[in-house]
Amino acid sequence: TAGITQAPTSQILAAGRSMTLRCTQDMRHNAMYWYRQDLGLGLRLIHYSNTAGTTGKGEVPDGYSVSRANTDDFPLTLASAVPSQTSVYFCASRNGTSSDTQYFGPGTRLTVL
Amino acid sequence: GQNIDQPTEMTATEGAIVQINCTYQTSGFNGLFWYQQHAGEAPTFLSYNVLDGLEEKGRFSSFLSRSKGYSYLLLKELQMKDSASYLCAVVDSNYQLIWGAGTKLIIKP
Repeated sequence: TAGITQAPTSQILAAGRSMTLRCTQDMRHNAMYWYRQDLGLGLRLIHYSNTAGTTGKGEVPDGYSVSRANTDDFPLTLASAVPSQTSVYFCASRNGTSSDTQYFGPGTRLTVL
Repeated sequence: GQNIDQPTEMTATEGAIVQINCTYQTSGFNGLFWYQQHAGEAPTFLSYNVLDGLEEKGRFSSFLSRSKGYSYLLLKELQMKDSASYLCAVVDSNYQLIWGAGTKLIIKP
């Protein structure tokens, strides 16, 4: 089982350009999440989706958008990248209840210049 | 506001025992997770506590006191491969995870 895959592994992006980070899970989990992780800070939730067809804003949603057309895929789009969006981005999923473990993808390292 | 505090960095010796503390102030409480994260990798699940007390799982144990807003992760018989960051996360009243910044554990021979 692949679990959660993310693409690309890393990317250098010019400021002002748009980009979509891809996330796919094969565990049929209901809930999916996008986090960013910056040095000295905890994981911060960008957007989440409790089930296919629904999305919600997390702690730091500005500059990002998501969609959840089906159970497996949860892409994150940066419409016009800025240097402060340089970070490591993790996608995660869980089955749905609060006690269920979140499983993480391998991450995407994004540098915006 | 919501806040989770962990020490930034700890150092321990191979074969020894180390305790990593986590204190939290959150809007509601629906459980506490500990995750391990090796450098350059994704976090992986270690433990989950929702009731007070100690949960033991091999060399790792996790303790929770809800009245004190406090948890710790205890690692015994430390091995070099335990060098990693340890992340504390609380499930808040909206059933979202609130993450601490993590504790970097350095193991010395």
